[in-house]
Amino acid sequence: EDKVVQSPLSLVVHEGDTVTLNCSYEVTNFRSLLWYKQEKKAPTFLFMLTSSGIEKKSGRLSSILDKKELFSILNITATQTGDSAVYLCAAVNMNRDDKIIFGKGTRLHILP
Amino acid sequence: GAGVSQTPSNKVTEKGKYVELRCDPISGHTALYWYRQSLGQGPEFLIYFQGTGAADDSGLPNDRFFAVRPEGSVSTLKIQRTERGDSAVYLCASSVGTGGILNEAFFGQGTRLTVV
Repeated sequence: EDKVVQSPLSLVVHEGDTVTLNCSYEVTNFRSLLWYKQEKKAPTFLFMLTSSGIEKKSGRLSSILDKKELFSILNITATQTGDSAVYLCAAVNMNRDDKIIFGKGTRLHILP
Repeated sequence: GAGVSQTPSNKVTEKGKYVELRCDPISGHTALYWYRQSLGQGPEFLIYFQGTGAADDSGLPNDRFFAVRPEGSVSTLKIQRTERGDSAVYLCASSVGTGGILNEAFFGQGTRLTVV
């Protein structure tokens, strides 16, 4: 059964700290890995990763994929209170017509 | 449309009633997903359409839940004999689908269902 596991489930840090969120996956015929940020209702897209070892970067956020060890990390540097959210990781199974499987998310809270 | 649209945004219903939740995906997206999200949890997969057909409905919790997408665009999630445990935010997402490189899913704002 395909699954995506995120850790930690929750994290509280102070503003300015750097955080690393983890995502491991077991998906047959893996196509890509997706990161989302969810603040209220709709998750908003952050990154899509398809190749190992190539870092994707957007401002203070960056992410990388390791297809050999089947995991990805999302880094946030110099955190701000606006980074407080649930961060969701999802894997795409291309053998199931691109079915997307989500992890339970990491709830990040940034203290001022 | 510009994004995924879900209606209603909020729905309060009495236990035992029937409800329909609507999702209007991004134009041209062939893949459509329904997820259910309870407080503090990640999205839980319910059903996935590729075009008009349900490619995977393994996440539907029981036979009170079913979904349709008759013309390959708008989808309706239907819940019969609602129970208090059905209360959650129901999220819909769409993506380009099979063979597309840009297969990230775009989410609607969700429907918050409360069964009282």
